[in-house]
Amino acid sequence: DAGITQSPRHKVTETGTPVTLRCHQTENHRYMYWYRQDPGHGLRLIHYSYGVKDTDKGEVSDGYSVSRSKTEDFLLTLESATSSQTSVYFCAISGTGMADTQYFGPGTRLTVL
Amino acid sequence: QQQVKQSPQSLIVQKGGISIINCAYENTAFDYFPWYQQFPGKGPALLIAIRPDVSEKKEGRFTISFNKSAKQFSLHIMDSQPGDSATYFCAASFLGNFNKFYFGSGTKLNVKP
Repeated sequence: DAGITQSPRHKVTETGTPVTLRCHQTENHRYMYWYRQDPGHGLRLIHYSYGVKDTDKGEVSDGYSVSRSKTEDFLLTLESATSSQTSVYFCAISGTGMADTQYFGPGTRLTVL
Repeated sequence: QQQVKQSPQSLIVQKGGISIINCAYENTAFDYFPWYQQFPGKGPALLIAIRPDVSEKKEGRFTISFNKSAKQFSLHIMDSQPGDSATYFCAASFLGNFNKFYFGSGTKLNVKP
């Protein structure tokens, strides 16, 4: 998985609780992304980062926030989890070369009861 | 709106047959078109990619066909094997956009022995 780890790999939580997912890379890539994967929807971009402390929203950012204080770490926070946020979350990284592809982590399966 | 549309949603092919998955896009600024393969419980992994200056790219049993005028591209898997059973995603991106990818909704391929 191209030097990308995600933690935790599985989590069950209750509605209304805060949740933080962590993505850690060892590739020193500049760009990092958070996606959610749901049946019939493919991979949808939640937030992305283009440098330390530089982040922006993706297409499904409502209810999520992110932070990147170091090149290697990108955190995704659900401030108050809802059942609609039950999903599989993937982190991806990419370099800055021409047509650099994205490399994905192993994913985190989150269930919100 | 969905920038990349993928079909079919699911596909059943006999061993040795040809699997064909199609994608269509709207944004003519896209200049990089990767295909990802995802096995259950794993993150997506790059399978093959193409740039619009060529009409076809082949890697082993996997071929991308690209039709710039029709704004369509497709993945062909020759001599399909049960080990090819996975979910396949097409994507598109363009330079200067933080390497953001726009993914299709995915095709679940089942190759029957």
